[in-house]
Amino acid sequence: AQKITQTQPGMFVQEKEAVTLDCTYDTSDQSYGLFWYKQPSSGEMIFLIYQGSYDEQNATEGRYSLNFQKARKSANLVISASQLGDSAMYFCAMSPQGAQKLVFGQGTRLTINP
Amino acid sequence: GAVVSQHPSWVICKSGTSVKIECRSLDFQATTMFWYRQFPKQSLMLMATSNEGSKATYEQGVEKDKFLINHASLTLSTLTVTSAHPEDSSFYICSATGQLQETQYFGPGTRLLVL
Repeated sequence: AQKITQTQPGMFVQEKEAVTLDCTYDTSDQSYGLFWYKQPSSGEMIFLIYQGSYDEQNATEGRYSLNFQKARKSANLVISASQLGDSAMYFCAMSPQGAQKLVFGQGTRLTINP
Repeated sequence: GAVVSQHPSWVICKSGTSVKIECRSLDFQATTMFWYRQFPKQSLMLMATSNEGSKATYEQGVEKDKFLINHASLTLSTLTVTSAHPEDSSFYICSATGQLQETQYFGPGTRLLVL
């Protein structure tokens, strides 16, 4: 069975600093996808970034980058130059091989302080 | 692109009534739609996966007669909570993916409160 672990229930960061949100996963699949979503207080889930297990390059999307270390089974999200609007819950998720469904971690609540 | 809408955004109902929630993909054809449930301060739990024109696949522990899912077209899936009870109160959120897409795009969610 697949499992996603996010060990940081809450993170507090000063505005304009970079922040790393941790995510480790457990799977025996050879092929899988890793995702990060942002959930503001409004509840919507906003897709941030995707990394395929066979992608050699770390994924980047604007201020978001995914630090993918396959051997360690980690997929940390790095947000550069944090902004007040980045305050939200962040979920790491994985799609197992051959399935489109997502398995989510417990989430990390990120608070950006001015 | 990849916009998913959900309606209603809020619903309050009496115990014993049924509630229908709609999920629509607005600018792409959603071959697969997913329904999740989220309790306060918790993560999303997948309830079921639905493919257009076929029966939904429910996750273990989810009552299919309680949570009826219909995916009648490539742009619309509905979740009906039948004979709702207070313990069904939750945040229900759908997502959709197209045939060639890896990424699931989520709707804004529906908050259900059963009195």
